[in-house]
Amino acid sequence: EIVLTQSPGTLPLSPGERATLSCRASQSVGSSYLAWYQQKPGQAPRLLIYGASSRVAGIPDRFRGSGSGTDFTLTISRLEPEDFAVYYCQQYQSSPQTFGQGTKLEFK
Amino acid sequence: EVQLVESGGGLVQPGGSLRLSCAASGFTFSLYWMTWVRQAPGKGLEWVANIKQDGSEKNYVDSLKGRLTISRDNAKNSLYLQINSLRAEDTALYYCARGRMCESWGQGTLVTVSS
Repeated sequence: EIVLTQSPGTLPLSPGERATLSCRASQSVGSSYLAWYQQKPGQAPRLLIYGASSRVAGIPDRFRGSGSGTDFTLTISRLEPEDFAVYYCQQYQSSPQTFGQGTKLEFK
Repeated sequence: EVQLVESGGGLVQPGGSLRLSCAASGFTFSLYWMTWVRQAPGKGLEWVANIKQDGSEKNYVDSLKGRLTISRDNAKNSLYLQINSLRAEDTALYYCARGRMCESWGQGTLVTVSS
C-alpha cells in the first residue's frame, strides 16, 4: 500500500498570501496518478488537480499542482477567502488507492 | 449535469449489515469506473473500494476485505456497497464517486453503527 503523508497538518495564512502544501508518498507514484481535492465544511470533496498538474475545468489558475516520484506540491498563489478549506492528495496508481490525511488551510 | 445520489445509510447495530446504493445520472454510467470513499466524523477521507466498468475488476481497502462487496447494475445506472459485520468504527459518511480519480462526488449517506 502506498502511504501518502501531507504536511503541514494545519497551515495558518491570510488572504493574498501564497500557500504551499506538500504530499509525500512512501513509494514512487507515476505522475499521471496523483490528484488533489478540496473539501469545505459540510460539503463533499471536489477534484482540483489530476495527473499531478492538470487543473480540472473551472478551477482557477491560482491553483497549481507539481511534482513527481514521491514528492508532490499544491500551490495556491494568492489565497482568496473561499480557498480556506481542507486539502487532500490521493494516489490512484495502484490499489488500494489511498488519500493523505489532509492539510487544513485556516485563517491566521 | 453529473448527479450521484447515495442512499441506504442509517442506524444499525454492531454486527448488522447494510447495502448502500448510489444512483447515477447525467453521464453514461457504463463507461466509468466507480468508487466508494468514506469519512468518519471529523476525520479524513478513506478510500474503500472501486469497480471497473463491466464489474470484472473489484478492489477493496485491506482493512475491510472480507466484509465488503461492491457491485453495479449498468442497466439501472446504480452502484452498490454491501457491508457486513458492522462495527462502531464503520460509522462514517459514505460517498460514491465517478471514476478512479473521483472526478465527481455525491453528497454521501451516513452510516451510524451503535447499540
